[in-house]
Amino acid sequence: EIVMTQSPATLSLSPGERATLSCRASQSVSSDLAWYQQKPGQAPRLLIYGASTRATGVPARFSGSGSGTEFTLTISSLQSEDFAVYYCQEYSHWPQTFGQGTKVEIK
Amino acid sequence: QLQLQESGPGLVKPSETLSLTCAVSGGSITSSAYYWGWIRQPPGKGLQWIGSIYYNGATYYNPSLESRVTISVDTSKSQFSLKLRSVAATDTAEYYCARQTGGNWFDPWGQGTLVTVSS
Repeated sequence: EIVMTQSPATLSLSPGERATLSCRASQSVSSDLAWYQQKPGQAPRLLIYGASTRATGVPARFSGSGSGTEFTLTISSLQSEDFAVYYCQEYSHWPQTFGQGTKVEIK
Repeated sequence: QLQLQESGPGLVKPSETLSLTCAVSGGSITSSAYYWGWIRQPPGKGLQWIGSIYYNGATYYNPSLESRVTISVDTSKSQFSLKLRSVAATDTAEYYCARQTGGNWFDPWGQGTLVTVSS
């Protein structure tokens, strides 16, 4: 099983700031990585797949990069609706695994 | 657009079987492009993939749960189901169903259903 490690656990930022979230895989997953956003009381929402492809309807301020074992989700300018928990998921192998999440909170 | 809706008991006794169904609407459950998955999230914790099924019945399970899990599909009713046997308090979680593109990423997700294991 591939272990996905996200950092930091919590990111405290102000609206308008840039957010950089990291996800590291315990072995290479090529570009088989997705990012999700989860707000309180809601189901996760797909943001990025294939490490860098935005899902339908996802604003351009969200971008993903990386391959192999190191991945980054960047939110270029935080909006109020972006404060949430973000998870990465690898799907290169069964069982597919999620990171433990990064909470982006208002500073 | 495609919608998924989980249903089932919200309370299950320890050692019994948790049974949930996910109804799929607005799209075909028999599309060859998709798998159908179950994911759970204990209160305040992260996401755990439980297993996935293809429309032809092929299944993939998380090894940590495989001995207790069965996922099945009923294409005539456009739904798929989860059974988790011998539950314990640690199985208390929000359970989500989701469409899985090519066995890869999950989108969309159902709204989730909270299942509590307690006597």
